[in-house]
Amino acid sequence: NAGVMQNPRHLVRRRGQEARLRCSPMKGHSHVYWYRQLPEEGLKFMVYLQKENIIDESGMPKERFSAEFPKEGPSILRIQQVVRGDSAAYFCASSPQGSSYNSPLHFGNGTRLTVT
Amino acid sequence: AQTVTQSQPEMSVQEAETVTLSCTYDTSESDYYLFWYKQPPSRQMILVIRQEAYKQQNATENRFSVNFQKAAKSFSLKISDSQLGDAAMYFCAYANSGGSNYKLTFGKGTLLTVNP
Repeated sequence: NAGVMQNPRHLVRRRGQEARLRCSPMKGHSHVYWYRQLPEEGLKFMVYLQKENIIDESGMPKERFSAEFPKEGPSILRIQQVVRGDSAAYFCASSPQGSSYNSPLHFGNGTRLTVT
Repeated sequence: AQTVTQSQPEMSVQEAETVTLSCTYDTSESDYYLFWYKQPPSRQMILVIRQEAYKQQNATENRFSVNFQKAAKSFSLKISDSQLGDAAMYFCAYANSGGSNYKLTFGKGTLLTVNP
């Protein structure tokens, strides 16, 4: 019974490169959420997706960041032209329904992005 | 906007003793959800316990219990009979009970050390 799988676990990118973070939700879960954890901070909501749809992207920076959850395959968080301030741990969570209480979010182990 | 405050950046406890982690929050809502998540060195976010605001009774999960004081907007976590495996970062989190309850607001965390 695999949990939420994120890869890579660690990702190093130079300034200006692109970062692609992948998330495979738990089996049977069709709701995916991305959160970001800056150093010394709690997690902050970025985006909520269902298959092929972005439901809420209110926490996403307006530029350089995008997310998708295609019909087939994992969810992808894409950061273009990375800057040092993008260095953080990025967490993916999934749930069978769009609710944090009745179907609590199950988090992955995160991807730590380091921008040099 | 809702905020979550954890006033103790670090706490320590002797193995088998009891420790209480503090959390306060600010909201104008009358119904909402509160959570405690544990983040061990593996970095995975693990749900420890949750509480619905309209429920008077404090939630309990084995050695973990909460003291929910709605009027004071306080939601502390008590860990009884502390074990070495309890050592982790603990995050308090809040979510509205309405349509956006997937959007958790986290505190900055409390690092718990368990001494043998």
